[in-house]
Amino acid sequence: DAKTTQPTSMDCAEGRAANLPCNHSTISGNEYVYWYRQIHSQGPQYIIDCLKNNETNEMASLIITEDRKSSTLILPHATLRDTAVYYCIVRTSGAGSYQLTFGKGTKLSVIP
Amino acid sequence: GAGVSQSPRYKVAKRGQDVALRCDPISGHVSLFWYQQALGQGPEFLTYFQNEAQLDKSGLPSDRFFAERPEGSVSTLKIQRTQQEDSAVYLCASSFRSSYNSPLHFGNGTRLTVT
Repeated sequence: DAKTTQPTSMDCAEGRAANLPCNHSTISGNEYVYWYRQIHSQGPQYIIDCLKNNETNEMASLIITEDRKSSTLILPHATLRDTAVYYCIVRTSGAGSYQLTFGKGTKLSVIP
Repeated sequence: GAGVSQSPRYKVAKRGQDVALRCDPISGHVSLFWYQQALGQGPEFLTYFQNEAQLDKSGLPSDRFFAERPEGSVSTLKIQRTQQEDSAVYLCASSFRSSYNSPLHFGNGTRLTVT
């Protein structure tokens, strides 16, 4: 699976948009970008995923560059409950696609 | 609906004791995964089941670790002769299918402390 690079930590003011970047410059054409988050003392929570096109759901938007080498997770109106570690994961659609390989993620702190 | 349920939530074991950790996946989910998460680190893959078949156990750190899912539903992760380095949060996840476009849904884990 392609490797991802994320900032170690970020701050965001409550009510503002949180934009979390992820670099995946070695991504292959059949690999998905997944985002999970982990709130303290809880298991990872699925947020969103995409292959080639931008995606939006009730939790967030995922914007991927045309060359697919980077993406940004957008939380449109961050709340204190969005404070968590956010993981960007590249997942193959080929052999071993069942697995998710987590890195260290970005610790997002939403500040009142 | 109910999510992935894990028990116990916390477990303290003395070094050398055996422990058993239980996972109840979401009903109807074919795939089941166990992950280990050390403090300050991301989860690391341990093993994977498709129904009752254990298809990948490449992440199990030693032969003291054993997982089973005999009826394709509930799973148990057993650790024999626990060591201090086994202290971690053990996470279970399930997914509807085993494919790349089927998200994993995680439980809240069992925090194991070996003293």
